[in-house]
Parts: sequence; structure tokens; C-alpha cells
Amino acid sequence: SYVLTQPPSVLVAPGQTARITCGGNNIGSKSVHWYQQKPGQAPVLVVYHNSDRPSGIPERFSGSNSGNTATLTISRVEAGDEADYYCQVWDGNSAHPIFGGGTKLTVL
Amino acid sequence: EVQLVESGGGLVQPGGSLRLSCAASGFTFSTYWMTWVRQAPGKGLEWVANIQQDGSEKSYVDSVKGRFTISRDNAKNSLYLQMNSLRAEDTAVYYCARVLGGALGYFFDYWGQGTLLTVSS
Repeated sequence: SYVLTQPPSVLVAPGQTARITCGGNNIGSKSVHWYQQKPGQAPVLVVYHNSDRPSGIPERFSGSNSGNTATLTISRVEAGDEADYYCQVWDGNSAHPIFGGGTKLTVL
Repeated sequence: EVQLVESGGGLVQPGGSLRLSCAASGFTFSTYWMTWVRQAPGKGLEWVANIQQDGSEKSYVDSVKGRFTISRDNAKNSLYLQMNSLRAEDTAVYYCARVLGGALGYFFDYWGQGTLLTVSS
């Protein structure tokens, strides 16, 4: 089955740019979605269809997808962005959603 | 405002059964696919099951096939997950979520707060 690979952790200083990657075989041909999950809370959709933002999500959150890597970029990182981030695609072969293993973003 | 509220979690012995519920409001429930996603303690997200708008099409992750049944009652704006033959590895927070998307792929735009299932003797 299709596998999504994320780095376990990303460290970033406040005000800097965080980039969280999601690797998969030819992932550029798929639509990638990203979720933010803060401790003790439910996941929140922050980017869908590679680069679209739901209403209420700051413009600091953006996404891109090409080749074998999709990337969630968080600009001007704030302490409140500290969370786990998960990428997700829909596997057309199995007709099932697939999640990446998650990346813990730590704001130094 | 879209709201999804799960209930029914608790402590169950291995081999036991439990039914989770998810009450939906703030949108036309009958027009959306719905899903259950779970998260074991300290672990990542795992999709469990999907159900089509009218309940005619359902799909499951392999690890729960034959043990879990997803269903819905559109008249009551409610989603369910009947879980039988429970195992310790089913211990998790169970989230219901609304499914959105189409030809470009599906994703989950609204999530409930989750309900905790613990399977232990």
C-alpha cells in the first residue's frame, strides 16, 4: 500500500520559517492535505488540495507538492504553531485515506 | 456552525463490544460521506472506516474488517461505529469527521473532539 514518510520532528525559532515534508512515490500526482493537532485536541485541517487554505487558517500556512515530496510551509512561526502535523492523501488503488506518521513541530 | 460530538467511549474487556456515536449539527448531514479515524495513545492518526451518504457503501481498514461496523441514521443526524471482538490494540481516541473532496481526492474538514476507548482486563 501507499506509504507517506514524514520527519519525526522539526525545530524552528520564533519568526523563522518551518518546512515540514511528506514523502511518497510520485506524490506530486496526488492531492495532499495537512492537519495540525495540538496536545489534547482534535486535528484541524490547515491545507487541502496541496495549497488551499480553509477559512480561518492564517496565510502563514502554505503548501506545495511536486515529484516525490509535498511540503507544508509555516512562515513567521509563532509559539502557538507548536503541534503535530500530519499529511494525508487518498489512495485511489485502495479507495482509502492514508496518513503520514506525523511531525512534531517544536518552537524553540 | 458545524459540530461533531462523539460519545460512547469507555473501558471494555478484551473480546467485548461497544458502540460509538457521533452527533452532527450545523450542516446537511445526509449529503456528506462520514468517517471514523482513531489515534492510539502517543501514536499517529489511523483511518478506520468510511460510509457513503445513504449508507450503501462502506469501507474499512483491514485490521477491523469483520469486527467493526460503521452505520448512520440520517434522520437523527448521527454516525455510529459498532465495535465487536475488541482487542487491546483497539485502544485509542476515536474521532468522527466529515469527508469532503471529489475527483482530486478526499479529506476531512471537520472533526469531533474524540472519545476514548480503552480495551483492558
